[in-house]
Amino acid sequence: QQQVKQSPQSLIVQKGGISIINCAYENTAFDYFPWYQQFPGKGPALLIAIRPDVSEKKEGRFTISFNKSAKQFSLHIMDSQPGDSATYFCASQTGANNLFFGTGTRLTVIP
Amino acid sequence: DTAVSQTPKYLVTQMGNDKSIKCEQNLGHDTMYWYKQDSKKFLKIMFSYNNKELIINETVPNRFSPKSPDKAHLNLHINSLELGDSAVYFCASSQRWTGLDEQYFGPGTRLTVT
Repeated sequence: QQQVKQSPQSLIVQKGGISIINCAYENTAFDYFPWYQQFPGKGPALLIAIRPDVSEKKEGRFTISFNKSAKQFSLHIMDSQPGDSATYFCASQTGANNLFFGTGTRLTVIP
Repeated sequence: DTAVSQTPKYLVTQMGNDKSIKCEQNLGHDTMYWYKQDSKKFLKIMFSYNNKELIINETVPNRFSPKSPDKAHLNLHINSLELGDSAVYFCASSQRWTGLDEQYFGPGTRLTVT
């Protein structure tokens, strides 16, 4: 059973464009929503995370938008750069630090 | 200094063999995890240990046996390897078991079973 649904599976964006990745969850016990970035041959690394008591969090070019009533959240990458090309995973987490990952989005930023 | 390290990075073996993957973290964290990433890149938790005690065992075949000799180490032993075990295995750690702490991942071990 997939706890977190993620789309699209792959995304190609021109340099300078906006990349948008969407996720949806079912379990209302989730109370932490991190995004992880994974480069080829490396382990995932935390990029940005949000708690459900806020609707948006911004860190540099990366923004999470969170819609608690719809049980959806998304990652926006502004001014996308070739160095952002990686696989992005949304995740949902309970207080017990149990991470449930989405299926991943392979982002390619074309120069 | 590498925060979470795994050995080996690559492991190629035949069906039926037994193999181990080692993980060490130098972050002073209490909690360690094993994840499996399949060929479609899907990441799923397998085990979680807190202070050397098993916390999570996510319906993993009992051919997989984690062992935590101390807080800084969590090894994964796999018996009677099967083709379906081919995947990338990631070790991770976090400060605490509860508290929504960031999980730090190792570089992964690519296991290929032939």
